[in-house]
Amino acid sequence: DAGVTQSPTHLIKTRGQQVTLRCSPKSGHDTVSWYQQALGQGPQFIFQYYEEEERQRGNFPDRFSGHQFPNYSSELNVNALLLGDSALYLCASSLTTDTQYFGPGTRLTVL
Amino acid sequence: TQLLEQSPQFLSIQEGENLTVYCNSSSVFSSLQWYRQEPGEGPVLLVTVVTGGEVKKLKRLTFQFGDARKDSSLHITAAQPGDTGLYLCAGAVFRAGGYQKVTFGTGTKLQVIP
Repeated sequence: DAGVTQSPTHLIKTRGQQVTLRCSPKSGHDTVSWYQQALGQGPQFIFQYYEEEERQRGNFPDRFSGHQFPNYSSELNVNALLLGDSALYLCASSLTTDTQYFGPGTRLTVL
Repeated sequence: TQLLEQSPQFLSIQEGENLTVYCNSSSVFSSLQWYRQEPGEGPVLLVTVVTGGEVKKLKRLTFQFGDARKDSSLHITAAQPGDTGLYLCAGAVFRAGGYQKVTFGTGTKLQVIP
């Protein structure tokens, strides 16, 4: 049983560019949450998708957007990248309100 | 806004020592999770506690949820180098609409020296 998978593993972009990160949830899970984690700190909640709709959102600007597909996989899009967007981006899946399980993350570096 | 404070922020100990990590909040949580994360990887779930006063043991790790469900502790007995990592607590609160809001703690970076 595959766990949560994310792609790509690493990504290097320049300021002003746009990026799309992808996540496939654990089998049987219907809810996907995205987090941003700076080095040595706890993850910060970006948003959560359930039934292809954004159900809740953290304190992130509109440059951060997402999508969930009918197969429950999800994408995180970030427009107009800033240096401060460099971080580990984590995807977590769960079955509605159950415990979240995390993927390995995508390391984004903005130059 | 729920805030979770973890202490200590950093901990460097010798192999074989015991340690306790604390996770404190002024908010009540429906459940609380502890995760361990290694550099460049995603957090790995260690345990979920849901009942006030609950104690769970996972080999050398003992987790306790406070009676009021506002705080938790993680105690490691006879720490080993393999315990090195970032320990994160995460509190969940159920919201109207049937979903839960999860807030992560600030993290405790543990280094166990052989």
